[in-house]
Amino acid sequence: NAGVTQTPKFQVLKTGQSMTLQCAQDMNHNSMYWYRQDPGMGLRLIYYSASEGTTDKGEVPNGYNVSRLNKREFSLRLESAAPSQTSVYFCASSEQVADTQYFGPGTRLTVL
Amino acid sequence: QQQVKQSPQSLIVQKGGISIINCAYENTAFDYFPWYQQFPGKGPALLIAIRPDVSEKKEGRFTISFNKSAKQFSLHIMDSQPGDSATYFCAAKAQGGKLIFGQGTELSVKP
Repeated sequence: NAGVTQTPKFQVLKTGQSMTLQCAQDMNHNSMYWYRQDPGMGLRLIYYSASEGTTDKGEVPNGYNVSRLNKREFSLRLESAAPSQTSVYFCASSEQVADTQYFGPGTRLTVL
Repeated sequence: QQQVKQSPQSLIVQKGGISIINCAYENTAFDYFPWYQQFPGKGPALLIAIRPDVSEKKEGRFTISFNKSAKQFSLHIMDSQPGDSATYFCAAKAQGGKLIFGQGTELSVKP
């Protein structure tokens, strides 16, 4: 039982490049989330998926897209990376939106 | 009104001392207040949580104090240990809503 897994762990991109961050959970949770963590800013919600087949914007969605591929997987895509997207990205999941969230280990992304 | 304000940003405590982290909120619709603990290189993990119908919740050395009228809540770590050194986040959620996190407090417990 791995919980929430994220790939890759580290990534360096040049401005304008694109990439997809992958997230998977094996807890049969309905809801999944993408956060970014920046110093002094806490965790800010980018997008979330309350259930399979639905996605909604969070607090900071600009520059990102998401896909809820199936119940297990929720990916985050940066179409044209910018230095302002340098951050640590966390995926989380919960049974329902109202329930305790379980976080993955994070992806540290640097955009040059 | 959706913000949760957390202080201090960093905290240094001697081993055996009490660590206190404070949070304040504005939205009276919030009805669930968790604290998350994050070790370096790891994702946050739920530490302890409280609902506003109680004023205090204790789990081992960790206690949440909740003041509904002041719209404030705090985490107290008694007998702080070097292993408690981590970043702590408070959060708040309205019924059916999403978690709103505070800015985080980096705690360092010195031996």
